[in-house]
Amino acid sequence: KAGVTQTPRYLIKTRGQQVTLSCSPISGHRSVSWYQQTPGQGLQFLFEYFSETQRNKGNFPGRFSGRQFSNSRSEMNVSTLELGDSALYLCASSSSATNRREKLFFGSGTQLSVL
Amino acid sequence: GQNIDQPTEMTATEGAIVQINCTYQTSGFNGLFWYQQHAGEAPTFLSYNVLDGLEEKGRFSSFLSRSKGYSYLLLKELQMKDSASYLCAVILTGGGNKLTFGTGTQLKVEL
Repeated sequence: KAGVTQTPRYLIKTRGQQVTLSCSPISGHRSVSWYQQTPGQGLQFLFEYFSETQRNKGNFPGRFSGRQFSNSRSEMNVSTLELGDSALYLCASSSSATNRREKLFFGSGTQLSVL
Repeated sequence: GQNIDQPTEMTATEGAIVQINCTYQTSGFNGLFWYQQHAGEAPTFLSYNVLDGLEEKGRFSSFLSRSKGYSYLLLKELQMKDSASYLCAVILTGGGNKLTFGTGTQLKVEL
């Protein structure tokens, strides 16, 4: 079974631009979550999607958005990029919509650098 | 809000035992996860505790005390490949799959 796939692996953008990151969950998994990882803050929750609906949202500005497609693939978008958005963006999938010991499987992430 | 604390760095010797602590202050606690993350790689699942006590899995064990808001990860017979960041994360009731992570403990295993 293939793992969680994130593309692209690396991305370099300039301030003010927008970016779209893609995540393909493990086959059969319907829950996709996104996290931002930085050296100072660790992993911070962005949002979670299940069956194309956003179920949870973290404390990030509206510049961060996401969506999920009918095949469970998910994209997240960051508009008007700021230097502070430089981070590793991790996607995680799970087979369950609820927290019943269902561990999250993480992708290797997209390393975003904003110049 | 939620607060999760773990030491930033630890160093241990190959073959030894190391304990990584995690304390948390949350409302609606519904379980605690430990993940391992090697540099440049995805976090991988190590353990999940929701009831008090010790869960053992090979060289790794995890303990939880809900009344104290405390957990630890115990690594035995340390190997060089255990050098990694260890992430403690809490999941809350009604929180779906939202995990709240500590900042991680960077473990360095030396000869």
